[in-house]
Amino acid sequence: NAGVTQTPKFQVLKTGQSMTLQCAQDMNHNSMYWYRQDPGMGLRLIYYSASEGTTDKGEVPNGYNVSRLNKREFSLRLESAAPSQTSVYFCASSARQGIGYTFGSGTRLTVV
Amino acid sequence: QKEVEQNSGPLSVPEGAIASLNCTYSDRVSQSFFWYRQYSGKSPELIMSIYSNGDKEDGRFTAQLNKASQYVSLLIRDSQPSDSATYLCAVNPVEYGNKLVFGAGTILRVKS
Repeated sequence: NAGVTQTPKFQVLKTGQSMTLQCAQDMNHNSMYWYRQDPGMGLRLIYYSASEGTTDKGEVPNGYNVSRLNKREFSLRLESAAPSQTSVYFCASSARQGIGYTFGSGTRLTVV
Repeated sequence: QKEVEQNSGPLSVPEGAIASLNCTYSDRVSQSFFWYRQYSGKSPELIMSIYSNGDKEDGRFTAQLNKASQYVSLLIRDSQPSDSATYLCAVNPVEYGNKLVFGAGTILRVKS
């Protein structure tokens, strides 16, 4: 009964380093999302995938790329990390429109 | 950009009281509305969804929706210290497909 699994849970990067955040769901959901959460700013959508094989930009896509590897997995890549990308990152999934999301446990990323 | 507004709080209520959390949204044709609870350092957890005008009750929680006035509220009866968390309002504008727009959240503190 895992739901949405994110790895890693914590990460510290140096400016300019790259990394990939992994997300997998076992609920057979079609749609998957990547959000970042910053104090006072709520959850902001970075990228989403409405279904396997499709990805689209959200509100704050600059500096990120994504891959929907299959129906289960949706990864987020930071090619050249910047201090402004210090945040908590959440992956989420949903079955269809009108149904709320299930969130992963989050990745706390610090870029120094 | 669709907007969802919440008072950031903190809202402080004594144990056993009713906590009232409010949310307004800008998109007139939104159809689905959600309340998430987020404990400090944890991921958001879906606690209520509402789709029609009026009230929806689930245990100690009641969600209220008024589409004409574009607001949705969450009432928590018999508030407990364990209810202390940040409550996020989320709206699903029809033209956004599966995507949700989140408010920044209201911090609730229940004092024993």
